[in-house]
Amino acid sequence: GQQVQQSPASLVLQEGENAELQCNFSTSLNSMQWFYQRPGGSLVSLFYNPSGTKHSGRLTSTTVIKERRSSLHISSSQTTDSGTYLCALEQGTGSKLSFGKGAKLTVSP
Amino acid sequence: EAAVTQSPRNKVAVTGGKVTLSCNQTNNHNNMYWYRQDTGHGLRLIHYSYGAGSTEKGDIPDGYKASRPSQENFSLILELATPSQTSVYFCASGLGRWDTQYFGPGTRLLVL
Repeated sequence: GQQVQQSPASLVLQEGENAELQCNFSTSLNSMQWFYQRPGGSLVSLFYNPSGTKHSGRLTSTTVIKERRSSLHISSSQTTDSGTYLCALEQGTGSKLSFGKGAKLTVSP
Repeated sequence: EAAVTQSPRNKVAVTGGKVTLSCNQTNNHNNMYWYRQDTGHGLRLIHYSYGAGSTEKGDIPDGYKASRPSQENFSLILELATPSQTSVYFCASGLGRWDTQYFGPGTRLLVL
């Protein structure tokens, strides 16, 4: 079955609102990673987060291994934040990634 | 900034034909990966490599072969393309554990 469950599948916000995206995983991991994908575009790494909390501008990633969950918080959303956010579980010696199905974020002005 | 390029960017193929997708990275990364992205499935790993001459099966390798002739290049080969292989294919590279992966721009493949 799916090793990484991502929620919500889609989210619509007004500019300035905050977003909370979740990933739950069912296996052991080396790390949880978060990526951003523009419509029709490639993936850009946001966070490499094996555990704990990391910050980057308006973005915060928190991974709690014993609870098997990771979250991405976007504060004060902007229209340019629109796109798809994917979490990925890194496991094994080959650093293979198992991706969630993604969360499509739409931020309206 | 890590650089991964893919060619072609778009490809139309016929059922039963051979398709080769190419990936090049200039980052001197040991690991390279091929994924496909489909609506409802997210990204799924097809093949990966630890270095020149090595290829490993990912989660969905059936119908695909891979080749890593050099540190920089990693190809995905569809010997007998089928319509079910219509997808967007992404190549990525990385140092391995304790590092993220850097993705190419993707190749849109349509098999008719």
